[in-house]
Amino acid sequence: DIQMTQSPSSLSASVGDRVTITCRASQSIGPFLNWYQQKPGKAPNLLIYATSSLQSGVPSRFSGSGFGTDFTLTINRLQPEDFATYYCQQSHSSQYTFGQGTKLEI
Amino acid sequence: EVQLVETGGGLVHPGGSLRISCAGSGFTFSSHWLTWVRQAPGKGLEWVANIKTDGSEKNYGDSVKGRFTISRDNAQSLVFLQMNDLRADDTAVYYCAREVGSSSYHFDYWGQGTPVTVSS
Repeated sequence: DIQMTQSPSSLSASVGDRVTITCRASQSIGPFLNWYQQKPGKAPNLLIYATSSLQSGVPSRFSGSGFGTDFTLTINRLQPEDFATYYCQQSHSSQYTFGQGTKLEI
Repeated sequence: EVQLVETGGGLVHPGGSLRISCAGSGFTFSSHWLTWVRQAPGKGLEWVANIKTDGSEKNYGDSVKGRFTISRDNAQSLVFLQMNDLRADDTAVYYCAREVGSSSYHFDYWGQGTPVTVSS
């Protein structure tokens, strides 16, 4: 199966900062990479699909890029509600896999 | 409004079985693949299984293959996860999610989750 590795595992930042989270696939997955945000005790929420397409209702300060094996999620001008855990997920293979998560803390 | 509601979680002994369900509403249930994702306490997300619109294709994660079975009843807008030979490391909150996309499949709606605890 395809392994997804996120870095860093945790990240400290401040309101107004710009942060970048990286996701690396163990083999090429083309553009088939999605990003989710999860807050404690809640179900995950889709942010970005197909590497860079913003899900409806998601603020434009979130953006994604990459192709093949290396992908990034960028959050511009961090807001208090952005402090959460972020996961990447590949849908290239029929066995989907998630990254281990990146916890974004104040 | 799209809704997914999981039910059926609970406490089960190691080696036991449990079937959890997910009821969909607010969308054309039979037009979507559906997925189960789990999250062990304090851990990350793990994809478990998915099922095609008509139930003709199913995929499983390596950790559950041969023990778990996904199925669906489109007439009742339900998807099920039959879990057999349960182990302590199957303890998790189990979420169902709707799949969308024409190529990069992704999960746009999720249920609130149902907790499963495997313990003696």
